[in-house]
Amino acid sequence: EAQVTQNPRYLITVTGKKLTVTCSQNMNHEYMSWYRQDPGLGLRQIYYSMNVEVTDKGDVPEGYKVSRKEKRNFPLILESPSPNQTSLYFCASKAGVQETQYFGPGTRLLVL
Amino acid sequence: QQQVKQSPQSLIVQKGGISIINCAYENTAFDYFPWYQQFPGKGPALLIAIRPDVSEKKEGRFTISFNKSAKQFSLHIMDSQPGDSATYFCAARSGANSKLTFGKGITLSVRP
Repeated sequence: EAQVTQNPRYLITVTGKKLTVTCSQNMNHEYMSWYRQDPGLGLRQIYYSMNVEVTDKGDVPEGYKVSRKEKRNFPLILESPSPNQTSLYFCASKAGVQETQYFGPGTRLLVL
Repeated sequence: QQQVKQSPQSLIVQKGGISIINCAYENTAFDYFPWYQQFPGKGPALLIAIRPDVSEKKEGRFTISFNKSAKQFSLHIMDSQPGDSATYFCAARSGANSKLTFGKGITLSVRP
């Protein structure tokens, strides 16, 4: 089944404790992206990657890191999480020139 | 500056009625306008999309109307059903390799 998977789905952590949210897709898509969804703010792009070893900042990259060492994986790293990073995070992917983005199921993060 | 603005912020419709969600955009370079549907606990999924060379696109009960001169597009859901209750995001993009810019989303509730 074609899909984007994220792990973990739910995470509670404390301020400053490094964490990684994994994202994997099995559709051989070149483009991958991370979004955060907050009430009243909609979906905002954090980082995106056009292909392996190619990443770039989205609209709200502060406090986040990403890497794209393999085509199928695009982990999101929070080196020192803060409470304002409490949010619902989505990973998405699409084939290079296709238009449809496929979203993962989301990761709900609470930073205390 | 918000490039894609949705209205209303929330919508309640009776079963069988017509749901209308509007979206206005700023950037005249946008060339692709999708609507995404998100159910609780799930990631957004593409519902229907339109390009600016057509004024209307219909897929089943869902129709996009596009007004290039007014820089507006809208989603019409005919014969609305309780199963249509979800959050709807409009989005826009300029060019195949550019990012999707999302609206803030609206919550639609269809009452039985």
